[in-house]
Amino acid sequence: GAVVSQHPSRVICKSGTSVKIECRSLDFQATTMFWYRQFPKQSLMLMATSNEGSKATYEQGVEKDKFLINHASLTLSTLTVTSAHPEDSSFYICSASGTIVGQPQHFGDGTRLSIL
Amino acid sequence: QKEVEQDPGPLSVPEGAIVSLNCTYSNSAFQYFMWYRQYSRKGPELLMYTYSSGNKEDGRFTAQVDKSSKYISLFIRDSQPSDSATYLCAMSAPGTYKYIFGTGTRLKVLA
Repeated sequence: GAVVSQHPSRVICKSGTSVKIECRSLDFQATTMFWYRQFPKQSLMLMATSNEGSKATYEQGVEKDKFLINHASLTLSTLTVTSAHPEDSSFYICSASGTIVGQPQHFGDGTRLSIL
Repeated sequence: QKEVEQDPGPLSVPEGAIVSLNCTYSNSAFQYFMWYRQYSRKGPELLMYTYSSGNKEDGRFTAQVDKSSKYISLFIRDSQPSDSATYLCAMSAPGTYKYIFGTGTRLKVLA
């Protein structure tokens, strides 16, 4: 149980393109989903927390107009990187936790984004 | 001082060895403690999840939490080459979904 699916797994696109990443909880309802960014050989950096039906909470230093997050249902959250530039190239990972605070987060397999 | 400290390694051990991975933390409010395994180019996979102090065992894995020392450990028995990965500790306080992660320890189990 507790499977989180993230799609696509790999994106290569030109500078200026907007890229949408989907995160789905397949077998549980996720009240809260998280978006992380991970640089090579480093730990996860939390970008934002999203709750179903409300606006996302962004971490300090994360541009909300650059990284648009939508959490329209209890099983789906999306991250859109708008007008992506080479410095946005990274590994983006989502996670989801169930409806009870304290339940562990379950992670997707990540999206490797490369902006040329 | 970081809230969570974890030795980045790499830690190299022979196949069959017992591996000990550790994290220390400074925030006494943490009550939930997790260990994740992350293979290269994959998302973290939940290995162990414990609440408050004590031990928890699952197969070859044992998690220990010592809240008095603010110290958590993950033991891997009979380590296998397939255990080669980065191990991340994570913790959180009651009332919040937000996790604080360690930097991760890279483990290599040599055949």
